[in-house]
Amino acid sequence: TQLLEQSPQFLSIQEGENLTVYCNSSSVFSSLQWYRQEPGEGPVLLVTVVTGGEVKKLKRLTFQFGDARKDSSLHITAAQPGDTGLYLCAGYSGGSNYKLTFGKGTLLTVNP
Amino acid sequence: DSGVTQTPKHLITATGQRVTLRCSPRSGDLSVYWYQQSLDQGLQFLIQYYNGEERAKGNILERFSAQQFPDLHSELNLSSLELGDSALYFCASSVWATRNEKLFFGSGTQLSVL
Repeated sequence: TQLLEQSPQFLSIQEGENLTVYCNSSSVFSSLQWYRQEPGEGPVLLVTVVTGGEVKKLKRLTFQFGDARKDSSLHITAAQPGDTGLYLCAGYSGGSNYKLTFGKGTLLTVNP
Repeated sequence: DSGVTQTPKHLITATGQRVTLRCSPRSGDLSVYWYQQSLDQGLQFLIQYYNGEERAKGNILERFSAQQFPDLHSELNLSSLELGDSALYFCASSVWATRNEKLFFGSGTQLSVL
């Protein structure tokens, strides 16, 4: 079973601060996805990274896939209250495994 | 709105009972996934169907079963319910069943077993 460890588990910051959350595994993933989940809703896909070392930007969010395709990070610049939510990373492993495995997430609270 | 519809939104039942959760995927999506979310375990993959056939199985208990119908909607049946089955159950859909699919999640069914 491929495990994805996310850190920190909880993060509470003030509006305007920068932050980075991490997603680590001992397994290699063919791709990693980041989702954001708000209370009472299902996860919503933010980005998919496929190539080792890949960096993708989505407005104030920067996603990076590790060179060895075992880890990923999400950096948010100048966080806003609307960024509050549960950030989940998820990965597809190689071979014929079609299961998308999720980490337990980082619960981010951005205070005004 | 993801386009994935789950019903009911909330379900309260007693131990030993059986319930059915329903999911309608996005129009055009052939693949349906079921996940269970709890505070201690996070999002756990249960089962995946593609165009009516079971494609992948995860941590699904023998008391649970699912199917995907010809119109592509799916149902998750939970029987002999236990207190520990209380959780959020999500359905997701995708166009195909390849390794890098983008999943679209419904809003979930909150199951409370009393």
